[in-house]
Amino acid sequence: NAGVTQTPKFRVLKTGQSMTLLCAQDMNHEYMYWYRQDPGMGLRLIHYSVGEGTTAKGEVPDGYNVSRLKKQNFLLGLESAAPSQTSVYFCASRTGQSRFTDTQYFGPGTRLTVL
Amino acid sequence: AQSVTQPDIHITVSEGASLELRCNYSYGATPYLFWYVQSPGQGLQLLLKYFSGDTLVQGIKGFEAEFKRSQSSFNLRKPSVHWSDAAEYFCAVVRGSQGNLIFGKGTKLSVKP
Repeated sequence: NAGVTQTPKFRVLKTGQSMTLLCAQDMNHEYMYWYRQDPGMGLRLIHYSVGEGTTAKGEVPDGYNVSRLKKQNFLLGLESAAPSQTSVYFCASRTGQSRFTDTQYFGPGTRLTVL
Repeated sequence: AQSVTQPDIHITVSEGASLELRCNYSYGATPYLFWYVQSPGQGLQLLLKYFSGDTLVQGIKGFEAEFKRSQSSFNLRKPSVHWSDAAEYFCAVVRGSQGNLIFGKGTKLSVKP
Protein backbone atom coordinates (compact mmCIF):
# COMPACT_ATOMS: atom_id res chain seq x y z
CA ASN A 1 0.00 0.00 0.00
CA ALA A 2 1.95 3.01 -1.29
CA GLY A 3 -0.70 5.61 -0.38
CA VAL A 4 -0.40 8.71 -2.54
CA THR A 5 2.50 8.95 -4.96
CA GLN A 6 3.54 11.80 -7.22
CA THR A 7 5.64 11.83 -10.36
CA PRO A 8 8.08 13.49 -10.93
CA LYS A 9 9.65 14.68 -7.68
CA PHE A 10 11.53 17.55 -9.28
CA ARG A 11 11.28 19.34 -12.59
CA VAL A 12 12.76 22.42 -14.22
CA LEU A 13 10.92 23.99 -17.13
CA LYS A 14 11.51 26.94 -19.38
CA THR A 15 8.80 29.55 -19.79
CA GLY A 16 6.24 28.38 -22.31
CA GLN A 17 6.96 24.66 -21.99
CA SER A 18 4.27 22.23 -21.01
CA MET A 19 4.24 19.32 -18.61
CA THR A 20 1.97 16.95 -16.72
CA LEU A 21 2.21 16.00 -13.07
CA LEU A 22 0.86 12.61 -12.14
CA CYS A 23 -0.78 11.73 -8.86
CA ALA A 24 -1.70 8.14 -8.09
CA GLN A 25 -3.45 6.66 -5.06
CA ASP A 26 -4.06 3.03 -4.22
CA MET A 27 -6.62 3.53 -1.46
CA ASN A 28 -9.69 3.57 -3.72
CA HIS A 29 -10.44 7.14 -2.69
CA GLU A 30 -13.15 9.07 -4.47
CA TYR A 31 -11.89 12.59 -3.89
CA MET A 32 -8.57 13.93 -5.10
CA TYR A 33 -7.04 17.38 -4.83
CA TRP A 34 -4.16 19.38 -6.23
CA TYR A 35 -2.64 22.08 -4.02
CA ARG A 36 0.28 24.39 -4.51
CA GLN A 37 2.52 25.52 -1.69
CA ASP A 38 4.36 28.82 -1.83
CA PRO A 39 6.55 30.33 0.91
CA GLY A 40 4.48 32.15 3.49
CA MET A 41 1.22 31.22 1.73
CA GLY A 42 0.37 27.80 3.09
CA LEU A 43 -1.34 25.45 0.65
CA ARG A 44 -3.91 26.64 -1.85
CA LEU A 45 -6.32 24.50 -3.81
CA ILE A 46 -5.86 24.43 -7.58
CA HIS A 47 -8.37 21.83 -8.80
CA TYR A 48 -10.16 18.86 -7.35
CA SER A 49 -12.15 15.82 -8.37
CA VAL A 50 -15.08 14.15 -6.66
CA GLY A 51 -14.82 10.96 -8.67
CA GLU A 52 -13.67 9.36 -11.89
CA GLY A 53 -14.43 11.56 -14.87
CA THR A 54 -15.12 14.69 -12.81
CA THR A 55 -13.05 17.79 -12.16
CA ALA A 56 -13.72 21.20 -10.66
CA LYS A 57 -11.88 24.46 -10.08
CA GLY A 58 -10.43 25.42 -6.76
CA GLU A 59 -9.05 28.65 -5.43
CA VAL A 60 -6.21 29.23 -7.93
CA PRO A 61 -7.04 27.32 -11.15
CA ASP A 62 -5.71 29.72 -13.80
CA GLY A 63 -2.97 28.26 -15.99
CA TYR A 64 -3.71 24.67 -15.00
CA ASN A 65 -5.85 21.87 -16.36
CA VAL A 66 -6.67 18.51 -14.82
CA SER A 67 -8.06 15.16 -15.79
CA ARG A 68 -9.34 12.12 -13.89
CA LEU A 69 -9.79 9.39 -16.47
CA LYS A 70 -9.12 6.64 -13.95
CA LYS A 71 -10.21 6.66 -10.35
CA GLN A 72 -6.70 6.13 -9.05
CA ASN A 73 -5.01 8.86 -11.11
CA PHE A 74 -5.33 12.62 -11.09
CA LEU A 75 -3.25 14.56 -13.61
CA LEU A 76 -2.30 18.22 -13.39
CA GLY A 77 -1.24 19.90 -16.61
CA LEU A 78 0.55 23.12 -17.34
CA GLU A 79 0.04 24.04 -20.99
CA SER A 80 2.39 27.02 -21.08
CA ALA A 81 4.45 27.31 -17.94
CA ALA A 82 5.14 30.69 -16.38
CA PRO A 83 7.62 31.66 -13.65
CA SER A 84 4.66 32.37 -11.36
CA GLN A 85 3.97 28.65 -11.41
CA THR A 86 7.24 27.89 -9.66
CA SER A 87 6.01 26.11 -6.57
CA VAL A 88 5.74 22.83 -4.73
CA TYR A 89 2.70 20.86 -5.82
CA PHE A 90 0.93 18.45 -3.53
CA CYS A 91 -1.71 15.93 -4.36
CA ALA A 92 -4.12 14.66 -1.72
CA SER A 93 -6.95 12.17 -1.58
CA ARG A 94 -9.76 11.15 0.76
CA THR A 95 -12.39 8.46 0.84
CA GLY A 96 -15.43 10.62 0.25
CA GLN A 97 -17.43 9.16 3.13
CA SER A 98 -17.67 12.52 4.87
CA ARG A 99 -16.47 15.84 3.54
CA PHE A 100 -16.05 17.02 7.12
CA THR A 101 -14.35 14.16 8.89
CA ASP A 102 -12.36 12.38 6.19
CA THR A 103 -8.61 12.54 6.58
CA GLN A 104 -6.80 13.86 3.55
CA TYR A 105 -3.69 11.89 2.67
CA PHE A 106 -0.92 13.81 0.97
CA GLY A 107 1.70 12.79 -1.52
CA PRO A 108 5.38 13.75 -1.10
CA GLY A 109 5.15 16.71 -3.47
CA THR A 110 6.65 17.83 -6.78
CA ARG A 111 9.04 20.74 -6.77
CA LEU A 112 8.65 22.66 -10.03
CA THR A 113 10.87 25.51 -11.15
CA VAL A 114 9.98 27.58 -14.20
CA LEU A 115 12.83 29.66 -15.60
CA ALA B 1 -15.58 32.87 4.35
CA GLN B 2 -13.59 30.30 6.23
CA SER B 3 -10.06 31.22 7.15
CA VAL B 4 -7.25 30.08 9.39
CA THR B 5 -4.63 32.30 11.00
CA GLN B 6 -1.37 31.12 12.46
CA PRO B 7 0.09 34.23 14.09
CA ASP B 8 3.60 32.89 14.53
CA ILE B 9 5.69 32.43 11.41
CA HIS B 10 8.71 30.99 13.21
CA ILE B 11 9.19 29.69 16.74
CA THR B 12 12.36 28.44 18.37
CA VAL B 13 12.26 26.32 21.52
CA SER B 14 14.88 24.40 23.44
CA GLU B 15 14.81 20.64 23.38
CA GLY B 16 12.81 19.40 26.36
CA ALA B 17 10.82 22.61 26.68
CA SER B 18 7.08 22.80 26.21
CA LEU B 19 5.52 23.98 22.99
CA GLU B 20 2.35 25.77 22.02
CA LEU B 21 1.53 26.69 18.44
CA ARG B 22 -1.38 29.04 17.94
CA CYS B 23 -4.21 28.68 15.47
CA ASN B 24 -7.29 30.87 15.12
CA TYR B 25 -10.11 30.08 12.74
CA SER B 26 -13.02 31.93 11.23
CA TYR B 27 -15.99 29.73 10.48
CA GLY B 28 -19.70 30.27 10.78
CA ALA B 29 -20.75 26.82 11.86
CA THR B 30 -19.09 23.98 13.75
CA PRO B 31 -15.51 23.87 12.55
CA TYR B 32 -13.73 20.68 11.60
CA LEU B 33 -10.09 21.31 12.41
CA PHE B 34 -6.84 19.60 11.62
CA TRP B 35 -3.16 19.94 12.41
CA TYR B 36 -0.63 18.67 9.89
CA VAL B 37 3.17 18.51 10.12
CA GLN B 38 5.57 18.83 7.23
CA SER B 39 9.15 17.72 7.74
CA PRO B 40 11.74 19.24 5.42
CA GLY B 41 11.31 17.98 1.88
CA GLN B 42 8.36 15.80 2.84
CA GLY B 43 4.63 15.78 2.36
CA LEU B 44 2.09 16.58 5.03
CA GLN B 45 1.28 14.15 7.80
CA LEU B 46 -1.83 14.37 9.94
CA LEU B 47 -1.13 14.98 13.63
CA LEU B 48 -4.68 15.19 14.92
CA LYS B 49 -8.17 16.33 14.10
CA TYR B 50 -11.19 17.74 15.92
CA PHE B 51 -14.81 17.21 15.00
CA SER B 52 -16.88 17.40 18.15
CA GLY B 53 -17.06 16.23 21.73
CA ASP B 54 -14.06 16.55 23.99
CA THR B 55 -12.27 19.80 23.44
CA LEU B 56 -8.86 18.27 24.15
CA VAL B 57 -7.72 16.06 21.31
CA GLN B 58 -4.79 13.67 21.43
CA GLY B 59 -2.68 13.04 18.38
CA ILE B 60 0.40 11.21 17.27
CA LYS B 61 3.95 11.89 18.42
CA GLY B 62 2.78 13.17 21.81
CA PHE B 63 0.90 16.18 20.46
CA GLU B 64 -2.44 17.43 21.68
CA ALA B 65 -4.68 20.33 20.76
CA GLU B 66 -7.40 22.17 22.60
CA PHE B 67 -10.46 23.55 20.89
CA LYS B 68 -11.83 26.75 22.44
CA ARG B 69 -14.97 27.94 20.74
CA SER B 70 -15.12 31.17 22.75
CA GLN B 71 -11.68 32.15 21.47
CA SER B 72 -12.00 30.58 18.00
CA SER B 73 -8.76 28.82 18.67
CA PHE B 74 -7.29 25.37 18.19
CA ASN B 75 -3.79 25.52 19.66
CA LEU B 76 -1.33 22.67 19.36
CA ARG B 77 0.74 21.66 22.36
CA LYS B 78 3.48 19.29 23.35
CA PRO B 79 4.86 19.02 26.89
CA SER B 80 8.45 18.24 25.91
CA VAL B 81 9.86 18.94 22.46
CA HIS B 82 12.34 16.62 20.77
CA TRP B 83 14.86 17.65 18.13
CA SER B 84 12.94 15.54 15.60
CA ASP B 85 9.91 17.82 16.03
CA ALA B 86 11.64 20.52 14.01
CA ALA B 87 9.30 20.99 11.05
CA GLU B 88 6.58 23.22 9.72
CA TYR B 89 3.14 22.92 11.23
CA PHE B 90 -0.10 23.73 9.50
CA CYS B 91 -3.53 24.26 10.97
CA ALA B 92 -6.46 23.71 8.63
CA VAL B 93 -10.25 23.82 8.55
CA VAL B 94 -12.51 21.92 6.19
CA ARG B 95 -14.35 23.92 3.58
CA GLY B 96 -17.74 22.30 3.63
CA SER B 97 -18.88 22.86 0.06
CA GLN B 98 -15.85 21.17 -1.49
CA GLY B 99 -14.40 19.18 1.36
CA ASN B 100 -10.98 20.65 0.73
CA LEU B 101 -8.81 22.08 3.45
CA ILE B 102 -8.23 25.77 4.08
CA PHE B 103 -4.74 26.06 5.48
CA GLY B 104 -3.03 28.60 7.63
CA LYS B 105 0.29 29.91 6.41
CA GLY B 106 2.20 27.63 8.71
CA THR B 107 4.52 27.93 11.69
CA LYS B 108 8.09 26.80 11.34
CA LEU B 109 9.46 25.20 14.49
CA SER B 110 13.17 25.17 15.22
CA VAL B 111 14.55 23.19 18.17
CA LYS B 112 17.71 24.27 19.98
CA PRO B 113 19.88 21.55 21.52
